[in-house]
Amino acid sequence: KQEVTQIPAALSVPEGENLVLNCSFTDSAIYNLQWFRQDPGKGLTSLLLIQSSQREQTSGRLNASLDKSSGRSTLYIAASQPGDSATYLCAVRVQAGTALIFGKGTTLSVSS
Amino acid sequence: DVKVTQSSRYLVKRTGEKVFLECVQDMDHENMFWYRQDPGLGLRLIYFSYDVKMKEKGDIPEGYSVSREKKERFSLILESASTNQTSMYLCASSLDQAGLEPQHFGDGTRLSIL
Repeated sequence: KQEVTQIPAALSVPEGENLVLNCSFTDSAIYNLQWFRQDPGKGLTSLLLIQSSQREQTSGRLNASLDKSSGRSTLYIAASQPGDSATYLCAVRVQAGTALIFGKGTTLSVSS
Repeated sequence: DVKVTQSSRYLVKRTGEKVFLECVQDMDHENMFWYRQDPGLGLRLIYFSYDVKMKEKGDIPEGYSVSREKKERFSLILESASTNQTSMYLCASSLDQAGLEPQHFGDGTRLSIL
């Protein structure tokens, strides 16, 4: 059964730092992987979606990479800002037509 | 922009009540999903639907049912609410059945069962 792990559970950094959030999954046969952001008490906001045939996706200061063979994805945030403080979740889809399987998230705090 | 709207942000109900949570999306999406989110347990899938009147059980369907009479609306029903169903409930939708497109979420309903 596919399992998704995000380590660390929490991370604190000063403003301006570049940082990497990690996501690992146990079965490398995935259909795609999606990164989300969740602000306290709110729903999830989609950040990036990487298909299984892709190696990375970029949106502004965010870059997500995918290495299926090692069962890993990273979310790179450049020049972090206090507004980036949130919980970041990754989720994998094992096959077409199936639901996402979520990690438990990394809570990021960026201090000014 | 995709808009997924959940009818209530906060809801308080009593044990044994029948509870309806409503979700509407405005982008003609095929798939709709209901999750619950609990501290330490993350997001868990309750039910999903890939077409009108179609439904599939997720990981934790016990104590819940769903209804999708129209494409844009997906309802979650707690048949007889219990205190262990106190949680944050999140609705989501995605465009295609295969899942090539991103999944979009509503703002959530924080449900308390007393």
